[in-house]
Amino acid sequence: DTGVSQDPRHKITKRGQNVTFRCDPISEHNRLYWYRQTLGQGPEFLTYFQNEAQLEKSRLLSDRFSAERPKGSFSTLEIQRTEQGDSAMYLCASSLHTDTQYFGPGTRLTVL
Amino acid sequence: GQQLNQSPQSMFIQEGEDVSMNCTSSSIFNTWLWYKQEPGEGPVLLIALYKAGELTSNGRLTAQFGITRKDSFLNISASIPSDVGIYFCAGQHPNTGNQFYFGTGTSLTVIP
Repeated sequence: DTGVSQDPRHKITKRGQNVTFRCDPISEHNRLYWYRQTLGQGPEFLTYFQNEAQLEKSRLLSDRFSAERPKGSFSTLEIQRTEQGDSAMYLCASSLHTDTQYFGPGTRLTVL
Repeated sequence: GQQLNQSPQSMFIQEGEDVSMNCTSSSIFNTWLWYKQEPGEGPVLLIALYKAGELTSNGRLTAQFGITRKDSFLNISASIPSDVGIYFCAGQHPNTGNQFYFGTGTSLTVIP
């Protein structure tokens, strides 16, 4: 088991473009979380999946953001019409039944 | 959202010294987690706490779940240069499902 993986590690895009990030959780972890982290701050919760069902969404998740976990394994986070304020580290975490979350290395997004 | 206050914001210590940091909340939490994050990486789980008063160790690290359920403490004994990083607490509030709230972090610098 190699832990939570995220792809890409870095993404630079122009304002207005769409971007998609992928997260592969630890095998057999049924829970998957997305967070956003800006410089000097702790991670902020975006959304949570249990298996394929998206059970919770933060108010931070505007309608330009959408997340999926179609088969209950990997997940994707898409940001449409990116804005400069979307620049951040996007972190994925997974857990198995309990609340102990293990994070991936993150995807650093820079919107020019 | 819930506010978690971490203190101190930053620490500069000599190698070999002990370190103490804490995290406080205005609300009670069910679970406290402590993470360490290094630049460009995701947070790495250090210790998980599930019951008020619980004291748990992981090597040179010891964390406690405060009796009031509104705080948690992390101690590092005999610090070494590789302890450098940002330490985050995260708490789960009983009324907000699977959301974890993170503090703003304590930045630790260890001087050899």
